[in-house]
Formats: sequence, structure tokens, C-alpha cells
Amino acid sequence: AQSVSQHNHHVILSEAASLELGCNYSYGGTVNLFWYVQYPGQHLQLLLKYFSGDPLVKGIKGFEAEFIKSKFSFNLRKPSVQWSDTAEYFCAVNAGGTYKYIFGTGTRLKVLA
Amino acid sequence: DTGVSQDPRHKITKRGQNVTFRCDPISEHNRLYWYRQTLGQGPEFLTYFQNEAQLEKSRLLSDRFSAERPKGSFSTLEIQRTEQGDSAMYLCASSRIVVQETQYFGPGTRLLVL
Repeated sequence: AQSVSQHNHHVILSEAASLELGCNYSYGGTVNLFWYVQYPGQHLQLLLKYFSGDPLVKGIKGFEAEFIKSKFSFNLRKPSVQWSDTAEYFCAVNAGGTYKYIFGTGTRLKVLA
Repeated sequence: DTGVSQDPRHKITKRGQNVTFRCDPISEHNRLYWYRQTLGQGPEFLTYFQNEAQLEKSRLLSDRFSAERPKGSFSTLEIQRTEQGDSAMYLCASSRIVVQETQYFGPGTRLLVL
């Protein structure tokens, strides 16, 4: 069965620190990959997505992610976080000819001002 | 796009009662999805519709759960004889049938079963 692992459940950073959140998936075929963010009290919003092509994808608010096929990974990065990045981040995979998404358990990021 | 809307946003019910949630997708989105999210977990797929046809159901969707999308627009999710384990956030998402299809999520309905 497909699964998604997010290794860091809670991350605390100071403003201006760099961020990298890990995401690994288990599926050997073609995958579509997504990162969603949920700010406090708000609904899930799409940060970025990968379908094909350049494995380094850029999203909103300065976020980027790199798809490394050999490592089954799609890590999220941001060079300098802001207090407003405090949120929960979810990695999701869509694969195997189905349209459903498989989500990781999420990473709660807290950025200290 | 006005976004996916869900109603109600919160529901408290007693064990054994039936509840129904509504989802209005983004206009012209053909696919509509239901997910369930419990504390500390990511959303888990329940079912999805393409227009009015329900094309996939998760094994999480027990016989007490039923979903409909009668006219291919809004959808309802009903839970019969609710149990405390049904307490969760129920999320709806919709998407347009395109090559790079992306799901857009609503605010969710938070259900608490007492």
C-alpha cells in the first residue's frame, strides 16, 4: 500500500532560520507530489506541486521542494522562515492511476519571533 | 473561484444520532472528494465522485457512512448511528479534470460525538 512519511512531527525555529521538512513516499511508479499548508484556524492550502519536469519546484511564499526519485523523497525548503510561516505542513502523494491523495501525518512548525 | 464551502462548520451530536454534512465544490469542478482527519493525523481518503458517479470508496467508509452527489454539484455525507470514534474533521475537496489535476480543500466540518 502507498504511504507517506513525514519524519519531523514538530519543528521550532527562530525567524530567519532555514527550513527543511522531510517527506518520503512508498510507491515505485509515477507519482504526483504536493505540499499543503494549514495556518491556524484556516483550511488546507496548496503550497506547491510536482507532476513532471524540473525536479526543483517553486511554490508560494518563497517555498520550494525537490523531487529526488532515487530517494523517493520530496523535501520542502525555505531559506529564511518568518513568524507567519507558523503552521502545519502536509506532504501528499497521488499515484497508481487513482485520484485520491495519500497524506503524511504532518509537521507542526513554530517560528519564534 | 469562490472556494469549496462546507456546512455546518461544527457539529456536536450524541452517540447513536444521524448527522449529515454538505459540501459545495468550486464551480465547474467535476471531481469531489471526502476525507477524514483525526487529531495528529493527515487527511485520510473516504470517497470521491466524478460528476454524480461515486467511483471509489475507502474501506474506512463503513456501512454507516453514505455519500451522494445527486446532480453532480453539491455532495452530502451522512453518518448513521454515530459512534465516538467518528469524532473527526470531515474535509471536502474538489478538482477539475485536467492533466495536472489539483485538489482544493474546504474548511471542513468538525464533528464531536458525545
